[in-house]
Amino acid sequence: AQTVTQSQPEMSVQEAETVTLSCTYDTSESDYYLFWYKQPPSRQMILVIRQEAYKQQNATENRFSVNFQKAAKSFSLKISDSQLGDAAMYFCAYRSPLSNFGNEKLTFGTGTRLTIIP
Amino acid sequence: NAGVTQTPKFRILKIGQSMTLQCTQDMNHNYMYWYRQDPGMGLKLIYYSVGAGITDKGEVPNGYNVSRSTTEDFPLRLELAAPSQTSVYFCASSFRDRIPHYGYTFGSGTRLTVV
Repeated sequence: AQTVTQSQPEMSVQEAETVTLSCTYDTSESDYYLFWYKQPPSRQMILVIRQEAYKQQNATENRFSVNFQKAAKSFSLKISDSQLGDAAMYFCAYRSPLSNFGNEKLTFGTGTRLTIIP
Repeated sequence: NAGVTQTPKFRILKIGQSMTLQCTQDMNHNYMYWYRQDPGMGLKLIYYSVGAGITDKGEVPNGYNVSRSTTEDFPLRLELAAPSQTSVYFCASSFRDRIPHYGYTFGSGTRLTVV
């Protein structure tokens, strides 16, 4: 079974600075998908960014980018120019390829709470 | 386009009571899921469904039941509520696609307290 580990329960960053959230995972699969989700105090789960394992290029979405190191099984999230609205819990998640029944589910890490300091 | 709708948003149950958490989606997604989120923890899969009439257990199914009679609806049933079921429950849905570009669409969650 796949596991996802987020070793930083809490992080803080000064507004307008850059912060990196760590995520590692364990899998024997060669093809898979990785996601970062944001959960603000409203509890809504919001997709931030996704990465396909077969792509070497790191995904970017505006101020959010990832550092995907497949060999190291590492998938960190970098937030540039941090804003007050970025304060939230951030979850890393893993999904297997849709080749077999039962592979459709996401496996989540335990989350990192990000605080933005004005 | 409402997305995934969960009701109720909050509920307090007494030990031994039963209830059904409702979930409906209007995106014609074939996959639906129920997760629970305990304080300070990630989301753990309770049950999931790959289409109407097909359901399967996730990591933590004990104490819960589901049904999927239509594509749109995926209710979660708690038969004999226990304090260990105090949690926030999320319903989610997705398309079966070789490349899951959009991950999941989540509902806004149900906070359940069992006393």
